Amino acid sequence: AQSVTQLDSQVPVFEEAPVELRCNYSSSVSVYLFWYVQYPNQGLQLLLKYLSGSTLVKGINGFEAEFNKSQTSFHLRKPSVHISDTAEYFCAVTRARRNKLTFGTGTQLKVEL
Amino acid sequence: EAGVTQFPSHSVIEKGQTVTLRCDPISGHDNLYWYRRVMGKEIKFLLHFVKESKQDESGMPNNRFLAERTGGTYSTLKVQPAELEDSGVYFCASSPNNSPLHFGNGTRLTVT
Repeated sequence: AQSVTQLDSQVPVFEEAPVELRCNYSSSVSVYLFWYVQYPNQGLQLLLKYLSGSTLVKGINGFEAEFNKSQTSFHLRKPSVHISDTAEYFCAVTRARRNKLTFGTGTQLKVEL
Repeated sequence: EAGVTQFPSHSVIEKGQTVTLRCDPISGHDNLYWYRRVMGKEIKFLLHFVKESKQDESGMPNNRFLAERTGGTYSTLKVQPAELEDSGVYFCASSPNNSPLHFGNGTRLTVT
């Protein structure tokens, strides 16, 4: 079975500052990794995914994440955040070639002026 | 294309009552999933349909929950009778194959 840990439940940051949202996972098999975002009153939207290949993955809205197998991490980063990035971010993992996602508890990103 | 649609967006019911949640997946998506997020906790898998067949229902909490997908199109999730701990947000998602899931906006269920 897989598990996901998002250590930070809330991350406050000023606009135009960089941000990193942390995600660690555990699994005994090959995995696919995802970041989803939930804006207020909306559903979950895929931000980016790692399936294989390059460990640096670029997603929508200027976000990127790096898969680190040795540290079992998949941290999400953005060099300069905007007010509109305020949302809840979920890291998720699934066994390779499967779609049964295991989610972390989410990180609330609050961007302030 | 139209996204995954869930109805209702909110539901408030009393303990012991019955509630039915509906999900309309993206047209042509054979895979349909139900997930639930209890307040403050992680989003948890409930079950997975492939067309009209239940592929995996290992996440269903107990027999008060019944999911159906007659005809392989829309799906319903019925909770009968509802208990306080059933409160949360129920998400539906669909995908055409082993592709990333497309999620709906969720149904917020409050049991009082």
